[in-house]
Formats: sequence, C-alpha cells, structure tokens
Amino acid sequence: DSGVTQTPKHLITATGQRVTLRCSPRSGDLSVYWYQQSLDQGLQFLIQYYNGEERAKGNILERFSAQQFPDLHSELNLSSLELGDSALYFCASSVSLDRGQETQYFGPGTRLLVL
Amino acid sequence: AQKVTQAQTEISVVEKEDVTLDCVYETRDTTYYLFWYKQPPSGELVFLIRRNSFDEQNEISGRYSWNFQKSTSSFNFTITASQVVDSAVYFCAAGSSNTGKLIFGQGTTLQVKP
Repeated sequence: DSGVTQTPKHLITATGQRVTLRCSPRSGDLSVYWYQQSLDQGLQFLIQYYNGEERAKGNILERFSAQQFPDLHSELNLSSLELGDSALYFCASSVSLDRGQETQYFGPGTRLLVL
Repeated sequence: AQKVTQAQTEISVVEKEDVTLDCVYETRDTTYYLFWYKQPPSGELVFLIRRNSFDEQNEISGRYSWNFQKSTSSFNFTITASQVVDSAVYFCAAGSSNTGKLIFGQGTTLQVKP
C-alpha cells in the first residue's frame, strides 16, 4: 500500500459525459501528479500540482482539467468523454520539488470505461 | 527531451531462472533520475528503486539487482531465481530536476512459469 488513495476504483460512463476522479496523496506529500495508461499510448504524464498550484503540464487534452485543494487532495475532471478516453488513470504523489526529482508513489488507479 | 526504451516487450521464463530486463534512456540533462516500477496483474504501480545520475553504484536488494551504466545509458534490472509472483509488467522511467514528470518506457511483461 503506497498511501495514495484514488476513488472510484472503476467508472463506466457514456460518451459525452463528464466524470471526476479523486486522489488523496500520502500524508505530508505536497506534489500530486496525474498519469494516463492506455494500450496505445502507454503511461503518459498529464499534469502536476504542487501545494495547490499547477507546476507542469504534459499531454493533457483541453477537455481535461485538474485542481489541487487546500487539503492537498486533487481531482481530475474529464469532460465530453470519447471512447478513446477509456484508460487507467493514476495519481501519484511526492514530498516536494525542492530537492530535485522526488520518488513518486502511485495510487491504485481508476479504471475508466467509456461506452 | 527524455526518452526511455524497453526493447523487450515480453519475456517468459521458468521459475528459478534468472532474468534481466533492459532499459536504455536518452537525456540531455546532466542530473537525472531513473526508476523501476512493477505493475502486477492487480494493476497498481509499485515503486522498486530509484537511482540518481551522480550515483553509479549498483544495487542489490534480495533477489533484485540493478546495473546502472552511464557509458551505455542503461539501467538494467535482474531478478535472480525468479518466482511466479514476479510475473508482472515492469516499467523503467526517467525524470529530471527541471520537471516533475516521469517519462516511462513501454514496459516489459514478465511471465514466470512454474
């Protein structure tokens, strides 16, 4: 158990819908990262937040957005869902950025299926 | 930009065999970090090891060992006396001080047969 929690574990929805994935980082971790794992793209970095502020963006679609709240939990919002958005979405957390690349600990993931 | 290549897509071994998973990285950063993660059939990503670019010491942890060679830009992972529970997808990843993101290889699926 990494200490990172993600809910829900599974999500089935229809095209055009909007969903919210939730992540709670390990106690004391200030950075939260979101990754998407799909069969064709592999594991791709989406976005990073540090202490409530966006720090880095990767291959995140405009239909996707995220935020980190004052209690440090994070939400990833996916809207206008398409079949191709079906994937395993991981959240990871690390202590900070101040000491270079910190080890990221991953949650169990949310498996999204868009029908 | 960083790039990580895991050329072995799938490896199948019989229990108790030794197996090495290859990882080759590309980076222009002078300081960088390399990682191995394990993804068992249950789906979670489990951190195994981290290596900093300025520390070329190899590491052994039980049946696991890692060989970091800057000269060949490789960070290979060896499992000695493999067990069925080692069956999983193994990912090599790279990160840098400039950005928090990790760049993952495509993963190597290891199947250990009894």
